[in-house]
Amino acid sequence: DGGITQSPKYLFRKEGQNVTLSCEQNLNHDAMYWYRQDPGQGLRLIYYSQIVNDFQKGDIAEGYSVSREKKESFPLTVTSAQKNPTAFYLCASSIVGKRAFFGQGTRLTVV
Amino acid sequence: DQQVKQNSPSLSVQEGRISILNCDYTNSMFDYFLWYKKYPAEGPTFLISISSIKDKNEDGRFTVFLNKSAKHLSLHIVPSQPGDSAVYFCAASSLNYGGSQGNLIFGKGTKLSVKP
Repeated sequence: DGGITQSPKYLFRKEGQNVTLSCEQNLNHDAMYWYRQDPGQGLRLIYYSQIVNDFQKGDIAEGYSVSREKKESFPLTVTSAQKNPTAFYLCASSIVGKRAFFGQGTRLTVV
Repeated sequence: DQQVKQNSPSLSVQEGRISILNCDYTNSMFDYFLWYKKYPAEGPTFLISISSIKDKNEDGRFTVFLNKSAKHLSLHIVPSQPGDSAVYFCAASSLNYGGSQGNLIFGKGTKLSVKP
């Protein structure tokens, strides 16, 4: 969907390294989300933020960290503590409770 | 425990026929339901939604039906086209509740294949 930009599209990380995925939106949405997709697992919520300078853990937050210093930006850091980081990561934004608009995703591969 | 379930991982239909994708939910506080369509290596795109005050919502070839007593919703695509081939995700949230209840909870998806 237009208005949500994720970068990069593909990312390779060596084991033991932290890596940060970028997500920017210009839709003036208060809420932003990070989901992870694995084959056959659907979309699982990592972190969400409903207001600047505040965020909450989702269902699978271990090994991840986020920040929300600006309304437009919600970067996700995949830390070395994440045991299985290889996945497709999706960022989304919404008016709280309303339908979410998704970015195009970032494919992270650990090499 | 899954709050939103799509029990059919895949569905194959012939072009021109009806596609019916099903979704069940367990949380009675859900009052807003959505369907998303997703192609490989892309983000999901919104398809259609329904609030719990309705039992049907229609948009072109797409109709969503909601049965609150059965906690079940379905997406009908008529007629199905080869371009409809994608993974379809059902999602639910609680519009009338704050905090984490407002987050979308997704099912695992159903892969639809429409054959020419």
